[in-house]
Amino acid sequence: DAGITQSPRHKVTETGTPVTLRCHQTENHRYMYWYRQDPGHGLRLIHYSYGVKDTDKGEVSDGYSVSRSKTEDFLLTLESATSSQTSVYFCAIGLTDTQYFGPGTRLTVL
Amino acid sequence: DQQVKQNSPSLSVQEGRISILNCDYTNSMFDYFLWYKKYPAEGPTFLISISSIKDKNEDGRFTVFLNKSAKHLSLHIVPSQPGDSAVYFCAASANTGFQKLVFGTGTRLLVSP
Repeated sequence: DAGITQSPRHKVTETGTPVTLRCHQTENHRYMYWYRQDPGHGLRLIHYSYGVKDTDKGEVSDGYSVSRSKTEDFLLTLESATSSQTSVYFCAIGLTDTQYFGPGTRLTVL
Repeated sequence: DQQVKQNSPSLSVQEGRISILNCDYTNSMFDYFLWYKKYPAEGPTFLISISSIKDKNEDGRFTVFLNKSAKHLSLHIVPSQPGDSAVYFCAASANTGFQKLVFGTGTRLLVSP
């Protein structure tokens, strides 16, 4: 299994508060991704990174920002959480011809 | 606009029988296709893939078929086992230099003993 961890695994927060999710990899891979999974939508790409300090937007990037200061860490920040951001968030890294996913973070915004 | 579609939200089969999961895509630039399996409270795990230069790829009990003219792919599981019960996601990518995947909405497979 690819060495990908996510923290926290579960979080409940209130509308308007900032939230940061962390993805940590031990594979030294260049490409990292953040997805959200919602019923009826599958997995949708939020942001991705193709190297340290190199990031770009995905399909559903509004309300999210990311940072990557080290190869192994990719942070996803919700500057002011909204109820529509209640979801399960997955980090992934790209290896050869596929991507490997972390265990996910379940975020609930009340 | 959903570029990758899985029109069956769920599928139930009996143990030992064949499971067929379907996926359609609209973007003719897609040239690489993957299937992922997801158990509850876990991340998706890669199952099998196929390049557009092939029309079939087999790995044990799992076979993926690609029909480029119909923009359709299917995953066959033979024989199905109760441990195959999971959500299956189809994904596709265009060769843009790195793997930017577009996922379908998933099909929940239930294999009953």
